Amino acid sequence: NAGVTQTPKFQVLKTGQSMTLQCAQDMNHEYMSWYRQDPGMGLRLIHYSVGAGITDQGEVPNGYNVSRSTTEDFPLRLLSAAPSQTSVYFCASSYLTANYGYTFGSGTRLTVV
Amino acid sequence: AQTVTQSQPEMSVQEAETVTLSCTYDTSESDYYLFWYKQPPSRQMILVIRQEAYKQQNATENRFSVNFQKAAKSFSLKISDSQLGDAAMYFCAYRSGGGGADGLTFGKGTHLIIQP
Repeated sequence: NAGVTQTPKFQVLKTGQSMTLQCAQDMNHEYMSWYRQDPGMGLRLIHYSVGAGITDQGEVPNGYNVSRSTTEDFPLRLLSAAPSQTSVYFCASSYLTANYGYTFGSGTRLTVV
Repeated sequence: AQTVTQSQPEMSVQEAETVTLSCTYDTSESDYYLFWYKQPPSRQMILVIRQEAYKQQNATENRFSVNFQKAAKSFSLKISDSQLGDAAMYFCAYRSGGGGADGLTFGKGTHLIIQP
């Protein structure tokens, strides 16, 4: 009964470094997404996917890449980290049917110095 | 684009009393879903309650209930018999009914403090 698993929980990066945030779900959800949470801003959508091989941009996609090779996994890549990407990142998944809420991972706190 | 507004950055309530958190939204759609999420200090996002726009009856989950006013585009959360474990950030969220690919639109949140 794992739900949505995010790793790592915490990460410190230097400006210009790259890294991948991992997200996996075991509920056979078609829809997966990445959000970032900044103080006073709520959660904002970065990228999303409606199935394997299909991804699209959300509200704040710049500086991030995604891919979805399987139903279960949806990694988020930071190509060249910037201090503006310091945030808490959440992965969330759902069935495509809109009446379901999302299941969230436990989040990754990322600090870029 | 849809917007969600939570006008109360912070609310405080005495333990065992009732508190209402406000949420308004703006949309031109007729088919949509509304949610309240709780985020305790652990950071986990927990679904509290959801409401389908086509249902007139207000959703209820134990001590949590909503007052959904579709014409006014208002979706408030009432917490009865407040408990210390209810202390958290609460986020109101909107999801389009058109297949769900647009994601959730969140308000900025209300920080709920429970006074013992």
